[in-house]
Amino acid sequence: GQQLNQSPQSMFIQEGEDVSMNCTSSSIFNTWLWYKQDPGEGPVLLIALYKAGELTSNGRLTAQFGITRKDSFLNISASIPSDVGIYFCAGVTPMNYGGSQGNLIFGKGTKLSVKP
Amino acid sequence: DGGITQSPKYLFRKEGQNVTLSCEQNLNHDAMYWYRQDPGQGLRLIYYSQIVNDFQKGDIAEGYSVSREKKESFPLTVTSAQKNPTAFYLCASSTTGVSYEQYFGPGTRLTVT
Repeated sequence: GQQLNQSPQSMFIQEGEDVSMNCTSSSIFNTWLWYKQDPGEGPVLLIALYKAGELTSNGRLTAQFGITRKDSFLNISASIPSDVGIYFCAGVTPMNYGGSQGNLIFGKGTKLSVKP
Repeated sequence: DGGITQSPKYLFRKEGQNVTLSCEQNLNHDAMYWYRQDPGQGLRLIYYSQIVNDFQKGDIAEGYSVSREKKESFPLTVTSAQKNPTAFYLCASSTTGVSYEQYFGPGTRLTVT
């Protein structure tokens, strides 16, 4: 089936640093979503992207829908301690794939931790 | 406040018992979903429903069952046939159509011993 490769798997941040992560696939997606999950909680939707090349911000977060439609990027500027958590990308399957119209494929997440 | 509720937060069961996880939403969403999350893994789709009285298997439906008798409710039963039921279970809902944004509940952690 289709897979999303999310990188890095984990990273350490120091307060004030900018953070970048990405999600890639060998297949085309028509929507990209970025979620953040705190330990023991459900994921919270951060940003949704619907058009190739689209760049969308939500506060200190900025995400881009890659021009090839096979990747997406999330940047966090001036990180703060509450940015710690797991960030998931999710792509929406193309309408004609396997009958799972509109269902999400999730990456395995990027875990953000504070530098010791 | 509109949202999705899942209960209970923690659930413990003995092996061989069926258990039902609750999911309710008051967002007036047509579609609802159940996912399973294992440590260090992404979310895997168990079942989804896009309309009342209809549902489809996801990628890992074996050992699970669902019902969708009301728009607001989508309970998941973990049966004794599920070989590795211990996991974090997440329910989500969305509108149907061009927006595929799914909104998640707080999750239920099921432990089977």
